Amino acid sequence: AQTVTQSQPEMSVQEAETVTLSCTYDTSESDYYLFWYKQPPSRQMILVIRQEAYKQQNATENRFSVNFQKAAKSFSLKISDSQLGDAAMYFCAYMDTGRRALTFGSGTRLQVQP
Amino acid sequence: DTAVSQTPKYLVTQMGNDKSIKCEQNLGHDTMYWYKQDSKKFLKIMFSYNNKELIINETVPNRFSPKSPDKAHLNLHINSLELGDSAVYFCASSQILGQAGSGRGTTDTQYFGPGTRLTVL
Repeated sequence: AQTVTQSQPEMSVQEAETVTLSCTYDTSESDYYLFWYKQPPSRQMILVIRQEAYKQQNATENRFSVNFQKAAKSFSLKISDSQLGDAAMYFCAYMDTGRRALTFGSGTRLQVQP
Repeated sequence: DTAVSQTPKYLVTQMGNDKSIKCEQNLGHDTMYWYKQDSKKFLKIMFSYNNKELIINETVPNRFSPKSPDKAHLNLHINSLELGDSAVYFCASSQILGQAGSGRGTTDTQYFGPGTRLTVL
């Protein structure tokens, strides 16, 4: 079974600084997707970024970028120029094209200090 | 326009009651899901439907019964509610290009509803 591990329950960053959230996963599949979702206090699940496993290029979305290391099964999220609105729970998630259901990590709570 | 909507957003009920949560998506997607988020924020898949066909049915008590009247709607009915059912339930949808369950095709991103916080007293 696939598993997703987020080893940092909480992280803190100063406004305008950069922070990296870690995620590792375990799978025997070769075709899959990885996602980062953000859950602010409003509890809405918001997609931050997505990566297809077959793409070697790391995905980027404005201030958000990933470091995808397929051999190491690592998928970290880098947030640049952190803003107060980035404060939230961040979930790493895995999905393979066979089962098509998200497997989530336990989440990392990010605090942004003014 | 809300892409994925759920009703109600909050549900407080007594043990033993039967309740339903409704989900609707206006994204034209062909696949819908139910996820459960427990008190420790852990999210887990419960069910998924593709074109009204049940695709994923995780180890969930029989008291939980999903129903999909059409591609745009997926409801969750819960019988004989228990204290342990207290959680946030999320509906999500995505578009699968290709045949579900075949391993072929391309899966698009899942978009989530706002969640329903269920409290069983």
